[in-house]
Amino acid sequence: QTVVTQEPSFSVAPGGAVTLTCGLSSGSVSINYYPSWYQQTPGQAPRALIYSTNSRSSGVPDRFSGSILGNKAALTITGAQPEDEADYYCVLYMAGGISVFGGGTKLTVL
Amino acid sequence: QVQMQESGPGVVKASETLSLTCSVSGYAINFGHHWGWIRQPPGKGLEWIGSIHHTGITYYNPSLKRRVSMSMDTPRDQFSLKLTSVVAADTAIYYCARRGAGNKLIDFWGQGILVTVSS
Repeated sequence: QTVVTQEPSFSVAPGGAVTLTCGLSSGSVSINYYPSWYQQTPGQAPRALIYSTNSRSSGVPDRFSGSILGNKAALTITGAQPEDEADYYCVLYMAGGISVFGGGTKLTVL
Repeated sequence: QVQMQESGPGVVKASETLSLTCSVSGYAINFGHHWGWIRQPPGKGLEWIGSIHHTGITYYNPSLKRRVSMSMDTPRDQFSLKLTSVVAADTAIYYCARRGAGNKLIDFWGQGILVTVSS
């Protein structure tokens, strides 16, 4: 089964920029996988940030952006805020109609 | 505004069947979209279990396919999950969610329900 890969952890200084990536154990991520990104804080359900590679979900600040970088999907946070400290998950849409989650990246803002 | 709420037993005995229901308000589930289940073991990441399209077509995670079934009760705007032969590794927070048919966005989530498999 295809595995969706993410960095286990990342840190960023307040006001800084960070790019999280989402890859495949075999092959390249393209827009055809409809990459999406979700933020989860402790005790809460995930919240949608980005869908279809680079579209922001309703109410999401514009410091969050999505793209394809090389063979991976990417989530960039520009001007990180303390409240951005959270777990971030990417999801890829696979053949057969299933969505597959990456393992998640724990982002620390310090 | 779409709201989703999971319900069901918080404890299930090993080898038995886990059954959960998601109640949807603010949107008629037969109007469109995919209606799915996602789980998260304590302290771990998210796992897509599967979804049911508004037409009734189901899509299951291959790793769980032998044990999973989903159904819809459109007059009640509810959909359900059954997971058979549960083991301790099935202990998790179970979320119901809505996924867009076109953009694949999982835009609305329930608050989640913790289900513990007991021995």
